[in-house]
Amino acid sequence: AQKITQTQPGMFVQEKEAVTLDCTYDTSDPSYGLFWYKQPSSGEMIFLIYQGSYDQQNATEGRYSLNFQKARKSANLVISASQLGDSAMYFCAIRTSGTYKYIFGTGTRLKVLA
Amino acid sequence: SAVISQKPSRDICQRGTSLTIQCQVDSQVTMMFWYRQQPGQSLTLIATANQGSEATYESGFVIDKFPISRPNLTFSTLTVSNMSPEDSSIYLCSVFLGETQYFGPGTRLLVL
Repeated sequence: AQKITQTQPGMFVQEKEAVTLDCTYDTSDPSYGLFWYKQPSSGEMIFLIYQGSYDQQNATEGRYSLNFQKARKSANLVISASQLGDSAMYFCAIRTSGTYKYIFGTGTRLKVLA
Repeated sequence: SAVISQKPSRDICQRGTSLTIQCQVDSQVTMMFWYRQQPGQSLTLIATANQGSEATYESGFVIDKFPISRPNLTFSTLTVSNMSPEDSSIYLCSVFLGETQYFGPGTRLLVL
């Protein structure tokens, strides 16, 4: 069975600073994908970044990067130069290749301070 | 990415009534998914809707409570039947494009 753990229920960061949101996962499958989503107060789920288990390099998308440490089974999201609009819930998720089911973590609420 | 719309965006309903949520995608997709997010919780998959066949429900969800239609490759509906306050949630539809799942804007439901 797969599992995602997000141990930080809430985080604060000063505007323009970088912040790391933690995510650890558990799976016995050798091929899987890791995802991060942002959920603003409006409720929509916005895809941020994807990391495949066989990818050699850490994924980056603009100000978002994924610190993928396969041996530790961690996939932390790093947001650089935080903006007020980054305040939201952030969810980490895992999907085994060949399936459609995502397992989501419990989320981290990020608040960016002016 | 896919453009996904949902109607209604939010609603307040009385106990015992039913609400049908619509999901429209701007491209043809084989599978559409319906999720529930209860207040302060993570997302839970309700069911998978395949065009031309019965929806596949996850453990804890049944067709009588959450009937789903999938009349074509771009559209699906989820009905929340005989609602109770415990059904107050955000309901999201989603589709896959490549490796990634994209979500609609969600329907925020409050049951009184």
